[in-house]
Amino acid sequence: KNEVEQSPQNLTAQEGEFITINCSYSVGISALHWLQQHPGGGIVSLFMLSSGKKKHGRLIATINIQEKHSSLHITASHPRDSAVYICAVNGNQFYFGTGTSLTVIP
Amino acid sequence: DTEVTQTPKHLVMGMTNKKSLKCEQHMGHRAMYWYKQKAKKPPELMFVYSYEKLSINESVPSRFSPECPNSSLLNLHLHALQPEDSALYLCASSQDPGLAGVRNEQFFGPGTRLTVL
Repeated sequence: KNEVEQSPQNLTAQEGEFITINCSYSVGISALHWLQQHPGGGIVSLFMLSSGKKKHGRLIATINIQEKHSSLHITASHPRDSAVYICAVNGNQFYFGTGTSLTVIP
Repeated sequence: DTEVTQTPKHLVMGMTNKKSLKCEQHMGHRAMYWYKQKAKKPPELMFVYSYEKLSINESVPSRFSPECPNSSLLNLHLHALQPEDSALYLCASSQDPGLAGVRNEQFFGPGTRLTVL
């Protein structure tokens, strides 16, 4: 069993739709990261959070420490949001989720 | 400068070649990491350097040899690789391996796409 589980694995949305990606983890953590990776590309850190909620532009990340759950929301999705979104946590080591592949269709 | 750079961007090598991957950061970070990522899989940790000393080796075969010449540079020397070693190799750095949580965010480089023929 993976320490970090994401859902869904794949997601296709129409441009403009509201998107939610979920992450659950089973280990004690000091921080949770949401990362973005475009095809063939490096990884960009979107958010790092240990409590509550953070917002950058159209992206919102929330975390519930008690439930060991985090969500990444994208409002008014755009084709340029198409990428793999990875949830990762700082436990006693860095654990990665398996990623959610998002495709936004014009 | 909040960037981690990696060279080369792409590398094709034969199984008998010796090559090196390079990673550089000028953020004053004291922890640096090598990850290997296969297609459609999450990154897998290979090595961690803490204050220029190797602190974690995740049972990586000896054909991969890391080196940290100074606090800004991290190399990965490759020798006698196998075709299954073809992958994206990612470097990352973080401020201080002794810090927990939000103070120790990892910054990733763009990766080197390695193909072993």
